[in-house]
Amino acid sequence: AQSVTQPDIHITVSEGASLELRCNYSYGATPYLFWYVQSPGQGLQLLLKYFSGDTLVQGIKGFEAEFKRSQASFNLRKPSVHWSDAAEYFCAVGHNNAGNMLTFGGGTRLMVKP
Amino acid sequence: ETGVTQTPRHLVMGMTNKKSLKCEQHLGHNAMYWYKQSAKKPLELMFVYNFKEQTENNSVPSRFSPECPNSSHLFLHLHTLQPEDSALYLCASSQDSLGTRAYEQYFGPGTRLTVT
Repeated sequence: AQSVTQPDIHITVSEGASLELRCNYSYGATPYLFWYVQSPGQGLQLLLKYFSGDTLVQGIKGFEAEFKRSQASFNLRKPSVHWSDAAEYFCAVGHNNAGNMLTFGGGTRLMVKP
Repeated sequence: ETGVTQTPRHLVMGMTNKKSLKCEQHLGHNAMYWYKQSAKKPLELMFVYNFKEQTENNSVPSRFSPECPNSSHLFLHLHTLQPEDSALYLCASSQDSLGTRAYEQYFGPGTRLTVT
């Protein structure tokens, strides 16, 4: 069965510092991978997606993620974090085991220090 | 209104009450979803509707009853809930639930439900 693991429940970085949020997945076939962000009091917003091709994908708000098949990872990165990036970030894998559905990781809450 | 809206944003109900959550999408999509987001648990898919037809019921207890009268509206009817049902209920939509289009979902802000 497919699963998504986000090892870090909380991360705190200073404003202007670089960021990397980890995501590991378990899925038998070629995965479709996603990062969503949830700001306080809001629903989830799609940041970026990977279906195939170039393993480094660019998203909105200056985020990027890299698919590494050998490590079963899809880590999210940003070179310089802004205070407005404080939110919860969810990695997800798309699969079609029973219909086309998303399985989400547990989320990583990002806090940004001034 | 744009995107996906949900009402009410907050709801407190007793275990014997009956209430409904409403979701409306203004994106011209044909698939709609209900998710449950509990503290310390990953987001759980509850129901999927594609072109008004329910295509997925993820072993959800019958005290949750979805309704999709058209592709723009989705309801979740609640009755005789338990305190452990307290959570954030998120609605989402996508172009449809076929192929990769199913994965690009647009979420509403959610209804924070508290069962007392």
